[in-house]
Amino acid sequence: QVQLVESGGGLVKPGGSLRLSCAASGFTFSDYYMIWIRQAPGKGPEWVSYISDSGKTTFYADSVKGRFTISRDNAANSLYLQMNSLRVEDTAVYYCAREGGTLLPLDFWGQGTLVTVSS
Amino acid sequence: DIQMTQSPSTLSASVGDRVTITCRASQTVSPWLAWYQQKPGKAPKLLIYKASSLESGVPSRFSGSGSGTEFTLTISSLEPDDFATYYCQQYNSYWTFGQGTKVEVK
Repeated sequence: QVQLVESGGGLVKPGGSLRLSCAASGFTFSDYYMIWIRQAPGKGPEWVSYISDSGKTTFYADSVKGRFTISRDNAANSLYLQMNSLRVEDTAVYYCAREGGTLLPLDFWGQGTLVTVSS
Repeated sequence: DIQMTQSPSTLSASVGDRVTITCRASQTVSPWLAWYQQKPGKAPKLLIYKASSLESGVPSRFSGSGSGTEFTLTISSLEPDDFATYYCQQYNSYWTFGQGTKVEVK
């Protein structure tokens, strides 16, 4: 069955960096576009970054542009999010999710990893 | 950016009730509208896509309707497992979620 497992979250000071990972299994990872979504405490989800199946195309929300970098390793069935210059407002649970296909929404999500930015 | 607004924010209901949640988009997103269910400490689960298509494995008491900028999620007869928070999401232009509707026990 499809599984997405995030790791790498933790407590970091403002201005610091973290690298999140998402290990995928149960499907052909290289066939799917992937996305990072975050959810601050008590808030709705917010998309953060998106990467095409080949990794050649990426998009970023304005709130993270220039600070976060999405990447993938299809040979390792893994998705990554490098987060630099972290701010207090980046505190959230970060989920990786699979885009179900052309003109389909996010059909599978990981369990999430908590990122806390605090001094 | 497309904004999504849900109403109500909280809904008190009893088992067996018919429940309706509304979602409005700031511009047309039709038909690229999805609904998700989220329980505390868990990831959102896809219920409905393309405004009215039921995701595989989702009970038929869930249904979606609407077009253009206005959409609804209906639970025909609320079950104990349905108490949760529900989010609409547009995927016409990037992805935007509503702020959520919490369905709580009356």
